[in-house]
Amino acid sequence: GAVVSQHPSWVICKSGTSVKIECRSLDFQATTMFWYRQFPKQSLMLMATSNEGSKATYEQGVEKDKFLINHASLTLSTLTVTSAHPEDSSFYICSASLGLTSTDTQYFGPGTRLTVL
Amino acid sequence: DAKTTQPNSMESNEEEPVHLPCNHSTISGTDYIHWYRQLPSQGPEYVIHGLTSNVNNRMASLAIAEDRKSSTLILHRATLRDAAVYYCILRRSGGSNYKLTFGKGTLLTVNP
Repeated sequence: GAVVSQHPSWVICKSGTSVKIECRSLDFQATTMFWYRQFPKQSLMLMATSNEGSKATYEQGVEKDKFLINHASLTLSTLTVTSAHPEDSSFYICSASLGLTSTDTQYFGPGTRLTVL
Repeated sequence: DAKTTQPNSMESNEEEPVHLPCNHSTISGTDYIHWYRQLPSQGPEYVIHGLTSNVNNRMASLAIAEDRKSSTLILHRATLRDAAVYYCILRRSGGSNYKLTFGKGTLLTVNP
């Protein structure tokens, strides 16, 4: 099956610093990648959708200047949390999809746990 | 968008079948029924999807009611590794419906 990796798997940083999370589709080229956030005991919330070579589309309420998304190739998308604060501490999960139809499967990465001190 | 309703939690014994229900009474004719599951501290993984007919794959079976207002995910022999949160999600053909909208799902506990 299709494999999606994320790096790092966990990160601890100081308040005010920026953190970059990488998402790679290892054995397929993903038309679209998605970034989700999950707080403890809660469900996944979609943050943004990114297509290779174009600007990401952010969900309502997600600050695009704070969560910078770059989708440089069909196998790599990055999420940078700028000027991180403790309230940004969360489980960040990416997914990749071959297409944009209602039957296209999303393949998820293992997640990155961010802790901001 | 049509919504789904799932029990908050269910419990099963190892090696027994598990039937996870999902109600979607406002489903439209073009809504696909998808199931994903999320093991503890991991990203979700795809389980199965269907439109009208029952579907089987190596992981599970999906039984869809004739009126499509409900569906059931069937794990034929639960193992401890099946303990996870199971999400039933509707995806409509066309438009911006490539997104997955996750609800609270059902937390499945499997007892040894």
